[in-house]
Parts: sequence; C-alpha cells; structure tokens
Amino acid sequence: GENVEQHPSTLSVQEGDSAVIKCTYSDSASNYFPWYKQELGKRPQLIIDIRSNVGEKKDQRIAVTLNKTAKHFSLHITETQPEDSAVYFCAAESPGKLIFGQGTELSVKP
Amino acid sequence: EAGVAQSPRYKIIEKRQSVAFWCNPISGHATLYWYQQILGQGPKLLIQFQNNGVVDDSQLPKDRFSAERLKGVDSTLKIQPAKLEDSAVYLCASSSSGRAPGELFFGEGSRLTVL
Repeated sequence: GENVEQHPSTLSVQEGDSAVIKCTYSDSASNYFPWYKQELGKRPQLIIDIRSNVGEKKDQRIAVTLNKTAKHFSLHITETQPEDSAVYFCAAESPGKLIFGQGTELSVKP
Repeated sequence: EAGVAQSPRYKIIEKRQSVAFWCNPISGHATLYWYQQILGQGPKLLIQFQNNGVVDDSQLPKDRFSAERLKGVDSTLKIQPAKLEDSAVYLCASSSSGRAPGELFFGEGSRLTVL
C-alpha cells in the first residue's frame, strides 16, 4: 500500500522567511496530493492540493510542486507570518483514500 | 453550510471499558471516514464508508473496533474493550467526491484518554 514520508518533523523560521516541507510517496499510481493545516486543538483544513497533471500550483503565499518521476512533492510558504504556525500534513491518494504523512510542526517567530 | 459534527469532544475511560463516538457528516456527502490521530502523528485511516457500505476497513482492529453508518448518514465508531494504546483523537471526515478523493472536511475530533 501507499506510504508517505514527510520531513522535517519540526521547522522554525523567522517571520518573513520562507518555509519548505517535503514529502515522498511510494505508489506511482497516486494522482492527488493535498496539504492540510492543523492548528493546535483544531481540525485539519485543506490549504492547497495538486493533481498529477500539473507540476506546480500556487495560491497567494503558498505553492506546491510535484515531481512524479521522483515521487515527491513539496509545500512552499513565502513571507511567513506568525499565524502560519501550525502542524502541516501532506497526503497522497491511494486509491480512493488519503494516506497522511507524519506532520511538520512549523513555528514562525515574530 | 454546517460542518462535520462529532461527539463527545472528550472522553476518559478505564482500560477494558467501552466507548462510542458519533459523527454527522456534511449534508449530501456520500463518503465518510474515521481516522485515528495519535499525538504527534498524522491521521491514520480506520474505515471508509460510501453511503452505508464499507469501502475500506483494512486498518480497523476488528477484534475491538466496530463502526456502522446506518441509512448512509450518521456514523458511530465503537471501541470495546479499550486499551491504553487507543488513546488518541478520533477524527471523522466527509467528502462529496465519491470513490475518488477530493477535499476532506474534518470534524473537531473526539479525544479519547484510556487510563
């Protein structure tokens, strides 16, 4: 079955810097890769997703890139703000269900 | 639109006791998922329903966990008997995308502590 590895597990940046979180997956048939943000004590919420027919997708300060050949995808957050502090989860479709990575705790220091 | 509702939000039980969690998905969402999230880890899928049928329960510990989705709407997840390692947040999610996953809408979760 699908296996999703995510790193780093923790990431600390200064406000205004960029943050990058990387994930690898094992199932070459996976075609859908979402990213969820989970603030402390709250529900995970979708922030961006990408399907395998594109290599990059951007939404304001966040972007996701996908390399299907290498089976990895990344989340990029630019101009980080304190409210970006949360746990971020990547996921991959396998098939008809989502398999989540272990999560990255992002801390943005003002 | 109303989100995914879950109850109870918190539950503390002794090991070997039983517990049940309830989920009401977003109206019209055919697909319902139960995930287990252990502290510091990503959500792990326990069971997936499409309407009132089970699509995937390969990760559900069937000797102690059971779930049902009567009438294709609400769902309950039961643990009996509970073990210490069942301490986790149980997240219910729903999707309108059928068998192909799209956005999952999560509930607030039910936090279980087993003593």
